[in-house]
Amino acid sequence: GDSVTQMEGPVTLSEEAFLTINCTYTATGYPSLFWYVQYPGEGLQLLLKATKADDKGSNKGFEATYRKETTSFHLEKGSVQVSDSAVYFCALIAAAGNKLTFGGGTRVLVKP
Amino acid sequence: ETGVTQTPRHLVMGMTNKKSLKCEQHLGHNAMYWYKQSAKKPLELMFVYNFKEQTENNSVPSRFSPECPNSSHLFLHLHTLQPEDSALYLCASSPGTERPNYGYTFGSGTRLTVV
Repeated sequence: GDSVTQMEGPVTLSEEAFLTINCTYTATGYPSLFWYVQYPGEGLQLLLKATKADDKGSNKGFEATYRKETTSFHLEKGSVQVSDSAVYFCALIAAAGNKLTFGGGTRVLVKP
Repeated sequence: ETGVTQTPRHLVMGMTNKKSLKCEQHLGHNAMYWYKQSAKKPLELMFVYNFKEQTENNSVPSRFSPECPNSSHLFLHLHTLQPEDSALYLCASSPGTERPNYGYTFGSGTRLTVV
């Protein structure tokens, strides 16, 4: 079946550091890929997405590129802020499907 | 405003109480979902509704009873819960199979504490 694997946290960084969260997936065909973010006490918000190979999703300084050859969708941000402290979820929807499959989530803590 | 509204935001209930969680979406979506998020556990998909019809029930105990009267509203009726049911309950909606690449839109959740 479809699955998403992302690095376990917590990831602790200093402000202005570079952030990478690894995400790999298993799915047949060409799934759509998503990153969701959950701030403390809130629900999940869509951060960015990519729907075909080599597409780059970007939002709020975050980027992720759909890599079919490595089945990956790593999330990056060049300079994090304290306000980026949250839990980040990688997810996919398989081709011709509508079920959103989540990774386990990665907690990120940015210290001033 | 996310387009998906959940009420109440917080709920404390005794094990013998009956309560309901409400979810409302104004996005014109055709599918709605209930998720459970417990500490240190992955997100658990509980129920799926497409065009008001339940299409998925992931072995959820009968003390959780969903209701979807129309495509815009989703309820989760709770009765005789256990302390381990304490969690954040998230509602989501999506366009469904019409636009599968759209993704889901989530509400802010209801934080449930069973005492």
